[in-house]
Formats: sequence, C-alpha cells, structure tokens
Amino acid sequence: KNQVEQSPQSLIILEGKNCTLQCNYTVSPFSNLRWYKQDTGRGPVSLTIMTFSENTKSNGRYTATLDADTKQSSLHITASQLSDSASYICVGLSGGSYIPTFGRGTSLIVHP
Amino acid sequence: NAGVTQTPKFRVLKTGQSMTLLCAQDMNHEYMYWYRQDPGMGLRLIHYSVGEGTTAKGEVPDGYNVSRLKKQNFLLGLESAAPSQTSVYFCASRLGLAGNIGELFFGEGSRLTVL
Repeated sequence: KNQVEQSPQSLIILEGKNCTLQCNYTVSPFSNLRWYKQDTGRGPVSLTIMTFSENTKSNGRYTATLDADTKQSSLHITASQLSDSASYICVGLSGGSYIPTFGRGTSLIVHP
Repeated sequence: NAGVTQTPKFRVLKTGQSMTLLCAQDMNHEYMYWYRQDPGMGLRLIHYSVGEGTTAKGEVPDGYNVSRLKKQNFLLGLESAAPSQTSVYFCASRLGLAGNIGELFFGEGSRLTVL
C-alpha cells in the first residue's frame, strides 16, 4: 500500500528564519512527488514536482530535495515570510495510477 | 481562467436533508476527484472519475454518491446528511495519465455544516 508520512505535524518559526519540512514516502512504482501549499480557506496549489532523476529543485525561496534511495523528500523554506504561513502537503504518485497518495500535511506558522 | 469552480461555497443542512455539490472545470481534464478535509486528517478521497460517464469509490465513499454526465462537471450528492459529514469538501481535476505528470488543480472548497 502506498503511504506518505510528513513531519513535523506543525511548526512555528519567526519571520526571516529558515525551516525544513520532511516527507517519507512509499510509492511504487514511483512516478513523482509534489509539494502543495494550502493557504487557510483555499485549495492546495502545487509548489514543485520531483521526479526520480531529480535531487534538488528550487522555486524562489522554496527548495525541494528528493533522495530516491531513502525515499525521503524535504522542502526547505529560506528567509520565511508571514505569507509562508500555510499547510504544506506532500503527495506521491505511482506510475499508471489514477489516485495520488496524500500526506497529512505540516502546518507552518510564521510569527513576526 | 476559471480553473476549477465549486458551488456552493458554504451550506448549512439539517440532519436527513439532501444536497448536491457541483464541481466544474474548464481545462478539459479527464480525471476529477472529490475530497473531504477534516482537522488532523488531511485530504481523504471520497469518489473519483477517470472520464465522462465513469465513477469509482475512494477511501471514504459511504453516504455519498457522484455523477459525471458531462466531462467538465462532477457532482457530489449527500442523500441523507449526517453530522459526521460536516467538513470542507474539495474538488480537484487532473489532465490524465498522458500529460502534466499528475498535477492536481483544486477548487476553493465548499464548507458544509450538518446540524
């Protein structure tokens, strides 16, 4: 059974600080892994996609990594801003599958 | 660009009442999904559709029915609402197996309260 586990469940940091969110996945056969950002009261929006051959990918202040050997991904946020306060959801997709596998998300709160 | 539109955005029901949530997408996507989101539980799949006229059960289908008579619309019905169905419902769509490596596009959510 495909599974995605995220940690921590919640995180509070001060504005300007960096943070790293973790995702452990068991998705087979592996196609890709996405990180979504969900602002309060809104639907999730894709931040980045990681495929098997990619180790690191950046999207502005967001940097995602993927270690296919350990089946771990991380999302690093640099110089956090108040607008980064949101839930971050890790989603794995297996090849040929109709159904993505969702993690439960990490709730990030950035305080001024 | 409308993307994925859900109606209504808010609804309060009494136990036993019925209602339908409508999801419409204008991206010509093949796949559509209905999820519910509850605190601490993440997004859980209710039903999904991989094409016009097809539907399938997800992780938590009990108490819900769906229909996809047109490619752009995916309806979620509650025949007899229960307090346990109080939740935020999200519709999502996806191009299909052949394209976009599985990015899901979500609506803004429908908040349902059952008293």
